[in-house]
Formats: sequence, C-alpha cells, structure tokens
Amino acid sequence: KQEVTQIPAALSVPEGENLVLNCSFTDSAIYNLQWFRQDPGKGLTSLLLIQSSQREQTSGRLNASLDKSSGRSTLYIAASQPGDSATYLCAVPVYNFNKFYFGSGTKLNVKP
Amino acid sequence: EAGVAQSPRYKIIEKRQSVAFWCNPISGHATLYWYQQILGQGPKLLIQFQNNGVVDDSQLPKDRFSAERLKGVDSTLKIQPAKLEDSAVYLCASSLSRYNEQFFGPGTRLTVL
Repeated sequence: KQEVTQIPAALSVPEGENLVLNCSFTDSAIYNLQWFRQDPGKGLTSLLLIQSSQREQTSGRLNASLDKSSGRSTLYIAASQPGDSATYLCAVPVYNFNKFYFGSGTKLNVKP
Repeated sequence: EAGVAQSPRYKIIEKRQSVAFWCNPISGHATLYWYQQILGQGPKLLIQFQNNGVVDDSQLPKDRFSAERLKGVDSTLKIQPAKLEDSAVYLCASSLSRYNEQFFGPGTRLTVL
C-alpha cells in the first residue's frame, strides 16, 4: 500500500519568504503526482500535476519537482503572500490508477 | 466552465439515520470520485466510477455505504445507518479520465450526533 507523508504538518513564515513543502511516498512506481491547496471549509483546488516523465512543473510562483527514485516531491512557493495561507496536499495514484493516496497536508500560514 | 457541484453543503443527523449526498461532475468528465475527509487528515478515496461502472470501491464500507452513477453523469452517495465516526467532509471530484487532473467540488460537511 502506498504511504504518503507530508512534512512539516504546519509552517508559519513572514510575507515575502520563499518556502518549500515536502511530499514523500513509499512506492516509486507512480505515473504522476498532483498538488492541491485547500482553504478552510472548502474543497481542493488543483495547483500542479507533474507526470513521472517530468522533473519539474511550473505555474506562476509555484514550482513542483518530482524525484521518483527517492520517492519525493517538493512544492516551491516564491515570494509568499498572505493569500497563500492554506493547507497544501499532495496525491499519488497507484500504478493502475484505481486508487489515489493523499498526504495529510501542510498547513501554511503567511504572516503580513 | 462550471465546476463540480455538490449538495447539500451541510447536514446534521442523528446516528442510525440515513443520509444522501449528490454530485454533478464537470460536463464531459468520465471519471468520478467520492472521498471522505476526516478533520486533520487527507481525503480517503471511497469509490471511483468510470462512466457508470465502478472501477474501485475497496475502501467503501459496503455494509452501510452505497453509491451509484446512473447514466454516467450525476452520482449519489448514501449512508444507512450512519455512525458517529462517519462525521466528515464528503468530497466529490471528477476528471476527463483517471489519468488526468482531478477537480473537486466544495464538499458536504456531515455531522452525526
């Protein structure tokens, strides 16, 4: 069974700081990895989908990297803003895409 | 493009009662997912549909939970009878296919008293 871990569970930073969120997974036989953000009381918003053949994917101030061999993905947020405050989750499918496993998320607080 | 719609947004019931949730996916999305998210945890996949067929329901507690996706569009998830531990947010998501990006609805927050 795939185990997905996100460390740290919570992070508080001052506005403007660059930061890195981590996601690790135990089974490296993945086809893609998706990063989401979740605002309190809301559903999940897709941020980036990175395919296993890619090493990086960028969208605006966000950059996701994937290293299958080490079972790790990182989400880099540049020049953080208070509006970035949310919980960030990563998710991976098993090889046949029948199941998807989520981490427990990193709760980010960006202080003005 | 309209997003994934879910209703109701909130539901409070007593234990042993039944409840149903409804989901309307993004138009043209063949794959539909129901997740359960307990406070402080990531979502757990309950069931995945491909059109109106079930791809995987191995984590669905079938003694009390049921789901259907008639005509391969809307879906309903039912709990009967509800237990205290079913208190959670139930999220519906859809994607063009199971290999594509998932889009989530706002969720239904269920409280079982």
